[in-house]
Amino acid sequence: KNQVEQSPQSLIILEGKNCTLQCNYTVSPFSNLRWYKQDTGRGPVSLTIMTFSENTKSNGRYTATLDADTKQSSLHITASQLSDSASYICVVSDSSGGGADGLTFGKGTHLIIQP
Amino acid sequence: DSGVTQTPKHLITATGQRVTLRCSPRSGDLSVYWYQQSLDQGLQFLIQYYNGEERAKGNILERFSAQQFPDLHSELNLSSLELGDSALYFCASSAGNPHYEQYFGPGTRLTVT
Repeated sequence: KNQVEQSPQSLIILEGKNCTLQCNYTVSPFSNLRWYKQDTGRGPVSLTIMTFSENTKSNGRYTATLDADTKQSSLHITASQLSDSASYICVVSDSSGGGADGLTFGKGTHLIIQP
Repeated sequence: DSGVTQTPKHLITATGQRVTLRCSPRSGDLSVYWYQQSLDQGLQFLIQYYNGEERAKGNILERFSAQQFPDLHSELNLSSLELGDSALYFCASSAGNPHYEQYFGPGTRLTVT
């Protein structure tokens, strides 16, 4: 069964500090991996999408890495800001079928930035 | 603003009732997806429509149904509501294949009392 595990479940850091969120997956066959940011009570917003051949992708202060061999991804946030407080969701898609039932969602990491 | 609109924003209703949630996708997007997110839970995929046809089904209860109309807007119908149906319901849209970019709407918060 396809699974996506995210760690930590929650994280509190001080404003200005860096942090790294982890995503491990067992989805097969692999198509792509994406990270979403979800503010409380709002819809998720895409940060990055990576395919098998991509190791790193950046979006401003957000940098995602992908190791397809170990089936791990990380999201690194640099110089955190109060507005980074949100849940970060890892979503992995398989390459079978093409329907949304091929998407596996992680439960997310809840990040709190303290001033 | 993702370009996906959902109405209503909030809905409060009683157990046993039926409600309809509405979603308008981004202009040009043919696929619409519905997700449920309960308190402190992850996103649960419910159902996907592509150009009016059901494309994929997830963990959607038999009490729930959806459809996509010729103008591509979609409705999610929830009936015989239970307390456990209280959740945020998100609609998302994409040009076609969901394995690329999906754009999420602001959600409808359903409270069943």
